[in-house]
Amino acid sequence: AQKITQTQPGMFVQEKEAVTLDCTYDTSDQSYGLFWYKQPSSGEMIFLIYQGSYDEQNATEGRYSLNFQKARKSANLVISASQLGDSAMYFCAMREGGLGSQGNLIFGKGTKLSVKP
Amino acid sequence: EAEVAQSPRYKITEKSQAVAFWCDPISGHATLYWYRQILGQGPELLVQFQDESVVDDSQLPKDRFSAERLKGVDSTLKIQPAELGDSAMYLCASTDRRGDTQYFGPGTRLTVL
Repeated sequence: AQKITQTQPGMFVQEKEAVTLDCTYDTSDQSYGLFWYKQPSSGEMIFLIYQGSYDEQNATEGRYSLNFQKARKSANLVISASQLGDSAMYFCAMREGGLGSQGNLIFGKGTKLSVKP
Repeated sequence: EAEVAQSPRYKITEKSQAVAFWCDPISGHATLYWYRQILGQGPELLVQFQDESVVDDSQLPKDRFSAERLKGVDSTLKIQPAELGDSAMYLCASTDRRGDTQYFGPGTRLTVL
């Protein structure tokens, strides 16, 4: 069965510094997708970044990058130059199947990031 | 920018009452998902639609929950009767036919008293 593990319930980071949020996953599929979402206190889930299991390069989107280590089954999110607005819950999620599979997402329990001024 | 719409944003009800949530996905998105997120947890799938057809409702408590997407566009999720344990955030998401990224609406926060 699929599983997503986020071992950090809460993290603190100083404004303008980089932070890494951990995510490990478990699947028997060869084809899958990994996602990170941000959830502010308002409740909306905001898509940040996607990594496909066959992608050879780590995904990057602006200040977000995904450190994908397939052999270790880890997909850590790196946020560079943290901003106060980055304070939120962050969820790692996995979808079994490649592009077009339209499967549902399996989410971890999330990490609460607090950015200190 | 196209967004997933949900209403209401907040709902307070008493147990045993009926409640309904509405979702309008991004225009052209064929696949629609309803998730439930209990406080302190990640979202969990309740039901998935492809156009007007249910693809997966294995986690939907069918004795009290129902979902429909009659014309393959907007969708309604209903709970009848509501129970205290139904207090949660109900999130709707949609994706296009390529099935890449799921985009979420703002959610409906339900409180059952």
